[in-house]
Amino acid sequence: SAVISQKPSRDICQRGTSLTIQCQVDSQVTMMFWYRQQPGQSLTLIATANQGSEATYESGFVIDKFPISRPNLTFSTLTVSNMSPEDSSIYLCSVEVRSGVAYNEQFFGPGTRLTVL
Amino acid sequence: AQSVAQPEDQVNVAEGNPLTVKCTYSVSGNPYLFWYVQYPNRGLQFLLKYITGDNLVKGSYGFEAEFNKSQTSFHLKKPSALVSDSALYFCAVRGNQFYFGTGTSLTVIP
Repeated sequence: SAVISQKPSRDICQRGTSLTIQCQVDSQVTMMFWYRQQPGQSLTLIATANQGSEATYESGFVIDKFPISRPNLTFSTLTVSNMSPEDSSIYLCSVEVRSGVAYNEQFFGPGTRLTVL
Repeated sequence: AQSVAQPEDQVNVAEGNPLTVKCTYSVSGNPYLFWYVQYPNRGLQFLLKYITGDNLVKGSYGFEAEFNKSQTSFHLKKPSALVSDSALYFCAVRGNQFYFGTGTSLTVIP
């Protein structure tokens, strides 16, 4: 298993500013992910945070808007840049842990609830 | 393409009654299926998974799910609902990444 913490847990930000969300895991993991959960909707994968290389972004998400750092195997940050009200969402950090010969389990952080005014 | 569908946005059930939250999936190859629960203002919590073996999988908090290959379903069940089970439930399938359903809001009425 993995225990994940995120900072901040919530924030209210002004339009045009940026917020950096931190994700800390209690063990070394290879795969870390950032998801967005907009109000009343399911989870959407933003990107996979790779240690030692650039993050891999899903369709519709770009590095300029959501820069990601992954300096080591236990930590990652997601920045939401030049925010607009449409960025109001819950941002979730997630990790994958090998749980068997052929599959992985995914664990989630508590989320960061972002409101952009 | 891999996907999951949760056909019900909202499920209401009386406390003490059995509950079912539906999920169907589409995946090539062997399906790895998961259920997660999200309580208000909390992150997702793992409930149970099906990888292989017995079609009836037992998980946390008295929940279980039945894998049905012919119907490509993985419905979540509980014999007797509690008010504290009220939450948002997500079905997920593991392909090249995790694909989540749209979620079902479960309300257990006292």
